[in-house]
Amino acid sequence: EPEVTQTPSHQVTQMGQEVILRCVPISNHLYFYWYRQILGQKVEFLVSFYNNEISEKSEIFDDQFSVERPDGSNFTLKIRSTKLEDSAMYFCASSSGAPQYFGPGTRLLVL
Amino acid sequence: GNSVTQMEGPVTLSEEAFLTINCTYTATGYPSLFWYVQYPGEGLQLLLKATKADDKGSNKGFEATYRKETTSFHLEKGSVQVSDSAVYFCALSDGGGTSYGKLTFGQGTILTVHP
Repeated sequence: EPEVTQTPSHQVTQMGQEVILRCVPISNHLYFYWYRQILGQKVEFLVSFYNNEISEKSEIFDDQFSVERPDGSNFTLKIRSTKLEDSAMYFCASSSGAPQYFGPGTRLLVL
Repeated sequence: GNSVTQMEGPVTLSEEAFLTINCTYTATGYPSLFWYVQYPGEGLQLLLKATKADDKGSNKGFEATYRKETTSFHLEKGSVQVSDSAVYFCALSDGGGTSYGKLTFGQGTILTVHP
């Protein structure tokens, strides 16, 4: 069964460093998403992406964040200058309309 | 804005017990409702969904009915198994009958089932 994959599974970085989280969505899906879950809190929507552009973003998704689909298979989330409060589990999801399929997540720790 | 509230956890049950996890929501319009499950070390998996009022979603013995009058979507299972131990998330989408709208999640409920 097709699945969404994410790399790396864990990432530790220093505050102020750039990180890129990678996702390979299911191959025939057209809608792509990033969510995050800070430890002990709810899963929060960050951004959705369709037709090579952002379709919606939350107030969390400020200028420090960007997304890209650099080729036909990868979907990346970049955090330009990480802060301590960016420490969270980041989930990628993809959809062909219904439902959204999630990856296993990347746990990001900012020191 | 939209919001989802789940019952406080964690929930601990013995095998074959009856399970209810409460979920209520606040939304404008007519959202679709979902239950997702996260097994240890894995991603969120769709468990069941309902796209309009009075719809009942069901899968793997779990059921939930979309109740517009009480704005609820409670998850139930008649007889839980140890393998049902996981975190359960209630969610809504404001994308109408599709899922391309963003999902709004509840806080998750940890379920542990003992033999």
